[in-house]
Amino acid sequence: DAGVIQSPRHEVTEMGQEVTLRCKPISGHNSLFWYRQTMMRGLELLIYFNNNVPIDDSGMPEDRFSAKMPNASFSTLKIQPSEPRDSAVYFCASAPGKGAYEQYFGPGTRLTVT
Amino acid sequence: AQSVTQLDSQVPVFEEAPVELRCNYSSSVSVYLFWYVQYPNQGLQLLLKYLSGSTLVKGINGFEAEFNKSQTSFHLRKPSVHISDTAEYFCAVSDLALTGGSYIPTFGRGTSLIVHP
Repeated sequence: DAGVIQSPRHEVTEMGQEVTLRCKPISGHNSLFWYRQTMMRGLELLIYFNNNVPIDDSGMPEDRFSAKMPNASFSTLKIQPSEPRDSAVYFCASAPGKGAYEQYFGPGTRLTVT
Repeated sequence: AQSVTQLDSQVPVFEEAPVELRCNYSSSVSVYLFWYVQYPNQGLQLLLKYLSGSTLVKGINGFEAEFNKSQTSFHLRKPSVHISDTAEYFCAVSDLALTGGSYIPTFGRGTSLIVHP
């Protein structure tokens, strides 16, 4: 089992540019989560999908952030336009069932916006 | 809403000493409880979980945790730590009583365990 796959692992971009982060969950898992981790705010849940449908996006900071899950094996998190305060590590996690069980995290994407 | 409190942001300890990392959560009838570990530059990985049954749960790498319903706590312990245990530890709680069936886990802010030689 390859685990949760995220790409890219590192992204450096200039303010104003569009950034797309990608995630491939573990096969058979039907819950997917996007998190953001910073020193100041810790681990924040951005959005949660169940069976490819967004269930809770209350953590998405603003309209510049959007997430999609077109099928069970792929999800994207897009930031447009990016700002320096978006610099963080972004994690994708998947889980069997509705998410009450353990989550399996990807290695993360470290985003730096200059 | 569920809240999870990890009382110590940082815990320094010497190698081979015992350690306890504390976790408290807001009251609920039914919860699932988890501890995750995050090594530098890696994602979180599950250390142990409590779903039901025995309140003493054993996990990987010699860690264990005890569910105390009356004190709404789930403290993590290890009798003898190694240098390699240096990492960030996160407590997480899934509240099964939340309406709408959305069992999204709530994470604590994390505790940094620093093991000195």
